[in-house]
Amino acid sequence: DTAVSQTPKYLVTQMGNDKSIKCEQNLGHDTMYWYKQDSKKFLKIMFSYNNKELIINETVPNRFSPKSPDKAHLNLHINSLELGDSAVYFCASSQEARETQYFGPGTRLLVL
Amino acid sequence: EDQVTQSPEALRLQEGESSSLNCSYTVSGLRGLFWYRQDPGKGPEFLFTLYSAGEEKEKERLKATLTKKESFLHITAPKPEDSATYLCAVRSNDYKLSFGAGTTVTVRA
Repeated sequence: DTAVSQTPKYLVTQMGNDKSIKCEQNLGHDTMYWYKQDSKKFLKIMFSYNNKELIINETVPNRFSPKSPDKAHLNLHINSLELGDSAVYFCASSQEARETQYFGPGTRLLVL
Repeated sequence: EDQVTQSPEALRLQEGESSSLNCSYTVSGLRGLFWYRQDPGKGPEFLFTLYSAGEEKEKERLKATLTKKESFLHITAPKPEDSATYLCAVRSNDYKLSFGAGTTVTVRA
C-alpha cells in the first residue's frame, strides 16, 4: 500500500497555464507538507497544513495556492505557470508537526 | 536562518570500502537531525532521527552519529545497492525542516 501518493507523476505544460497536483496519505497523519526540489537538488518547504489549517507558508509566489479538503489530502494549485516553476514537487506527511516526515514519490513539472 | 551543509557533494566507493558523509549545521534550537536516502526519480526515504549530541543510530550498514555542530553517516562495507543520494535535514523550534543539498554516493562492484 502506498503511504503518500501524488498525481500526476509527470506534468508537462505551457507557460501561462494553470495546473493542480494532488496528494493523499493513508497513514492517518494530521500534518501534510509541500516541498519543491530544484535542479540543484535542494528540498525547500513551501507549505504545511495541520488538520486542514495552514501552519507554514514560506515566501512563495501567490500563484501557488494549497488546499486541504480533509486531513488526508493536500492539493497544490499553480496559476500562470512560469519557466522557473519547473522542478520536482514533493508532498510529505507526519503524525504531528514535530514528528518524522514521510515523502511521496514526487511530481515532475516541466513548463515549456 | 537554519543552515545545513553536506560534504562531499559526491562520493565514489568500491564495494566494501567504508566511508563517512558529513552534515554540518547551524540551527536555532535543534529539534532533531534527520537522515534520508533518495534514489533517482523517487521521494526521500526516512533513515534516522537524532536528537542530542552523543546519540547514535544504526541500520544495516549505516550508522548515524551526532555532535553539537555536525552529524556523520558512516557506511560500513558498502554494497552497490547503497548507491543513492543521502540527505541531511535539521528541524528547529518552528518545526520546519531545512535540508542540505545531499551527498551522492556511488558504490562500484
